[in-house]
Amino acid sequence: RKEVEQDPGPFNVPEGATVAFNCTYSNSASQSFFWYRQDCRKEPKLLMSVYSSGNEDGRFTAQLNRASQYISLLIRDSKLSDSATYLCVVNPLTGGGNKLTFGTGTQLKVEL
Amino acid sequence: DVKVTQSSRYLVKRTGEKVFLECVQDMDHENMFWYRQDPGLGLRLIYFSYDVKMKEKGDIPEGYSVSREKKERFSLILESASTNQTSMYLCASSSGQGPYSGNTIYFGEGSWLTVV
Repeated sequence: RKEVEQDPGPFNVPEGATVAFNCTYSNSASQSFFWYRQDCRKEPKLLMSVYSSGNEDGRFTAQLNRASQYISLLIRDSKLSDSATYLCVVNPLTGGGNKLTFGTGTQLKVEL
Repeated sequence: DVKVTQSSRYLVKRTGEKVFLECVQDMDHENMFWYRQDPGLGLRLIYFSYDVKMKEKGDIPEGYSVSREKKERFSLILESASTNQTSMYLCASSSGQGPYSGNTIYFGEGSWLTVV
């Protein structure tokens, strides 16, 4: 089983739709969780951290479910500019130096 | 804003050449990383460092070495480039003391290396 697993997509949604991605992780001791966004041929950039209580940033909501070992990202009122690949990132605590493990990403395409 | 700069954006090298990829960060971060990213495989950690002159192997260190002589600079070296090292290489940095700081990681723009 991969340490971090994501559905690669693509998720094709109309503008204005609500879309949700899940990501599962294998190490129950993991402490830090993030969603990164990566545009085509660009570097990943932090979208948001994921906290146990869940957190919201505008149209984006992130949730953590420790019991089932998954995190989720919900995007409301999708914009064309949301089209990107969304990377789930976990600190599995299996190594030193703030070593993060990345999922392979979920591709989102928002269409007119 | 955090700035992670990779000096070489696009390189074409021949098989067997020695390749240096340089990375500099301007935020006094303790931790620095080198990843490669390939379609379908995601980001894979090559090497990381959480202090000057210190290095740790990541998941795929074979064929690579690194150097961290100064806190702000982390270099990736391909001693003898091979075609299977054609990839996008991403340098990154983060703050925090010790291995479990959990702080945000910031990436450079990437270096696209083609080995022919």
